[in-house]
Amino acid sequence: ETGVTQTPRHLVMGMTNKKSLKCEQHLGHNAMYWYKQSAKKPLELMFVYSLEERVENNSVPSRFSPECPNSSHLFLHLHTLQPEDSALYLCASSPRDRAYEQYFGPGTRLTVT
Amino acid sequence: AQSVAQPEDQVNVAEGNPLTVKCTYSVSGNPYLFWYVQYPNRGLQFLLKYITGDNLVKGSYGFEAEFNKSQTSFHLKKPSALVSDSALYFCAVRDKYGNKLVFGAGTILRVKS
Repeated sequence: ETGVTQTPRHLVMGMTNKKSLKCEQHLGHNAMYWYKQSAKKPLELMFVYSLEERVENNSVPSRFSPECPNSSHLFLHLHTLQPEDSALYLCASSPRDRAYEQYFGPGTRLTVT
Repeated sequence: AQSVAQPEDQVNVAEGNPLTVKCTYSVSGNPYLFWYVQYPNRGLQFLLKYITGDNLVKGSYGFEAEFNKSQTSFHLKKPSALVSDSALYFCAVRDKYGNKLVFGAGTILRVKS
């Protein structure tokens, strides 16, 4: 459980606010991921970073802005969000050459009011 | 494109009875298949995987899954359910290029005493 940590665990923000989600992994991995989890929908992969370089961006709105300063840290900067962006945001990490061996953090429950 | 389908939104089982959570897949090439579990307010945890070898794969917490190529299925099973098994279960497949996982919508498992 402590391999991948996420802060904050819960966040309530207005549509005009700017906030950031933080993810940190202590597993020595070199790939990190952001997912969005909404009720009764498949997990949506948002961003993939490999060796601190963004390798995938699945048509995510620009109000979500990722940042990966090093292989252990991943941020998701949020601004001018919409109520439909309310969801659980999950971070994961893996070895770069074994993307299927992902370890997940506990998630940040985001509510946009 | 690689995909998995979980046909049941929810499965209800009495404690002590066997359980099955269904997953079917559609892939080009050899499938890499996975099961993850998500307990309330937690991130996803890896349960088991099939890459090659025996069709019956054993994983964590007494779970197993049977790979069936002719039926393109990878159902999760446990001989005797526990109340503590109640959670959200995700089936996943490695994408064609190997750099990400594609998840199903998830199945809620409720085990009642």
